[in-house]
Amino acid sequence: NAGVIQTPRHKVTGKGQEATLWCEPISGHSAVFWYRQTIVQGLEFLTYFRNQAPIDDSGMPKERFSAQMPNQSHSTLKIQSTQPQDSAVYLCASSYWGGSYEQYFGPGTRLTVL
Amino acid sequence: QQQVRQSPQSLTVWEGETAILNCSYENSAFDYFPWYQQFPGEGPALLIAIRSVSDKKEDGRFTIFFNKREKKLSLHITDSQPGDSATYFCAASADSGGSNYKLTFGKGTLLTVTP
Repeated sequence: NAGVIQTPRHKVTGKGQEATLWCEPISGHSAVFWYRQTIVQGLEFLTYFRNQAPIDDSGMPKERFSAQMPNQSHSTLKIQSTQPQDSAVYLCASSYWGGSYEQYFGPGTRLTVL
Repeated sequence: QQQVRQSPQSLTVWEGETAILNCSYENSAFDYFPWYQQFPGEGPALLIAIRSVSDKKEDGRFTIFFNKREKKLSLHITDSQPGDSATYFCAASADSGGSNYKLTFGKGTLLTVTP
């Protein structure tokens, strides 16, 4: 089992550009979570899908951020018009649904906005 | 409002000693508490977890002690090894009818084990 796969591992964008981050959950896992990690704020929940349906996006910034899960094998987090304050490590985690609480994280994508 | 708090921010122990990492929470609805270990440049790795129905969970050198009444828990790492040097995160989630398992994290404890 390859674990959660995130691509790219590093992304550098200029202010105002768009960034798309990819996540491939562990095979058989039907829940996908996105978190953001910064030195100042720590690890913050962004959004969550179960069986590809959006369940909770309460942590997503209201503007410029969007997430999708078009099929069970991948999810994307898109940030439009990136700003320097968006610089962070974006982490994807997946979980088996059905009474199991364990979330397994990928290595993260480090986004740097210049 | 910080719902999950960890202390100390950093901890240094000698190899072979027991490291004790503390965590407290505010939300009484939290019922699942995982600890994650994170090395620089990597994602958090699930180390050990406890449900609120238990007061102790042990896995090898790692033990969680849980006090529901005081809303506190601690992670004990016995016989600490230099390879245990990492940042440890306490997290919590609430099972709201099975529909929401998002994790709320503490700010972490940076553990350094000196040979």
